Amino acid sequence: DIQMTQSPSSLSASVGDRVTITCRASQGIRNDLGWYQQKPGKAPKRLIYAASSLQSGVPSRFSGSGSGTEFTLTISSLQPEDFATYYCLQHNTYPRTFGQGTKVEIK
Amino acid sequence: EVQLLESGGGLVQPGGSLRLSCAASGLIFSNYAMSWVRQAPGKGLEWVSTVSGSGGDTYYADSVKGRFTISRDNSKNTLYLQMNSLRAEDTAVYYCAKGSVGGYGPDYWGQGTLVTVSS
Repeated sequence: DIQMTQSPSSLSASVGDRVTITCRASQGIRNDLGWYQQKPGKAPKRLIYAASSLQSGVPSRFSGSGSGTEFTLTISSLQPEDFATYYCLQHNTYPRTFGQGTKVEIK
Repeated sequence: EVQLLESGGGLVQPGGSLRLSCAASGLIFSNYAMSWVRQAPGKGLEWVSTVSGSGGDTYYADSVKGRFTISRDNSKNTLYLQMNSLRAEDTAVYYCAKGSVGGYGPDYWGQGTLVTVSS
């Protein structure tokens, strides 16, 4: 199985900060990775697909990069509505695997 | 607008069974793979199972293989998850999720249904 190691597990940041979250795959997954945002009590929402493509309707302050084994989600200027938990998901092989999640909290 | 509505969750005793349903609208249902993803209380997301658009191919997490069965009825635009031999560790919110064009992983998710396994 492919393991997805996501870091950090949590971070504190202020509105306007640049935030970076990383996912590392235990083996190469090309660009078969998505990033999801989840707020408490709500379903996940896809932000990025194919590692770097922005989901329709998602603000351009979100961006993704990477290929192979290392991937990054960047929020260029953190907004109040961005405080949430973020997950990566590899869809290269079965079983699909998520990262452990990164909780973004208000500093 | 794509809508996914799960139902069938509830309280069940260990060893019991439950069938979840996910009614889909706003899409050509048979065109898309569909998945179940769960989230235990206070925990992260765990992929459970995926079925192809035709229903001919199914995939399972090791943690549920042999106990859970995913299926779909394309004439009813409905996805199912039959869960047998339930364990306490199966307690979670279960989400159905729609696969996206190009196989890029799920794009739309339902709001989830809570399954609690307890005596």
